[in-house]
Amino acid sequence: NAGVTQTPKFQVLKTGQSMTLQCAQDMNHNSMYWYRQDPGMGLRLIYYSASEGTTDKGEVPNGYNVSRLNKREFSLRLESAAPSQTSVYFCASREVTGNTGELFFGEGSRLTVL
Amino acid sequence: AQSVTQLGSHVSVSEGALVLLRCNYSSSVPPYLFWYVQYPNQGLQLLLKYTSAATLVKGINGFEAEFKKSETSFHLTKPSAHMSDAAEYFCAVRDNTDKLIFGTGTRLQVFP
Repeated sequence: NAGVTQTPKFQVLKTGQSMTLQCAQDMNHNSMYWYRQDPGMGLRLIYYSASEGTTDKGEVPNGYNVSRLNKREFSLRLESAAPSQTSVYFCASREVTGNTGELFFGEGSRLTVL
Repeated sequence: AQSVTQLGSHVSVSEGALVLLRCNYSSSVPPYLFWYVQYPNQGLQLLLKYTSAATLVKGINGFEAEFKKSETSFHLTKPSAHMSDAAEYFCAVRDNTDKLIFGTGTRLQVFP
């Protein structure tokens, strides 16, 4: 059982380039999330999707877009990458109904913007 | 609004010593609280969670945490540290829109 799978695991971009981070979960969870992790700042929520067909902004959405392609997949797009977007990105999912909020995380995507 | 504060970005202990990682929360509703652990180059995994069933919560790898409403705390402890416990630990609270709010993390070093 793979859980939450993120691709790519590593990426280097030049300023202004675009890219999409892919995330897929095989646990039939309704909710999916994208976080970024920066030293000394913990995890900050970028966007989330409470259910298929819905997306909402989190704490730091500027410069990002998301697509909830289906129940399994939730992608994060950087249209014009900036050095400030150098970070480790984590996708997570959880079941909402009758659940106390536990998140299941992918292994992360390490992005460097030059 | 809900929030968590982790006191101490770095904690160092000797192998076999007590581990104490501090977390204080702010919540306008009865909180759901979590501790996650992150090993190097990995994602986060759940250590334990408080959901109001019991104030002392036992988790994986010998960790436990006690919910103290009067102190708004949810500190993580382990009686005897092991080298394999070296990692970063995050406290989190579920907010009133059902999202998890994370603290800034505490990096635990264990010396032989």
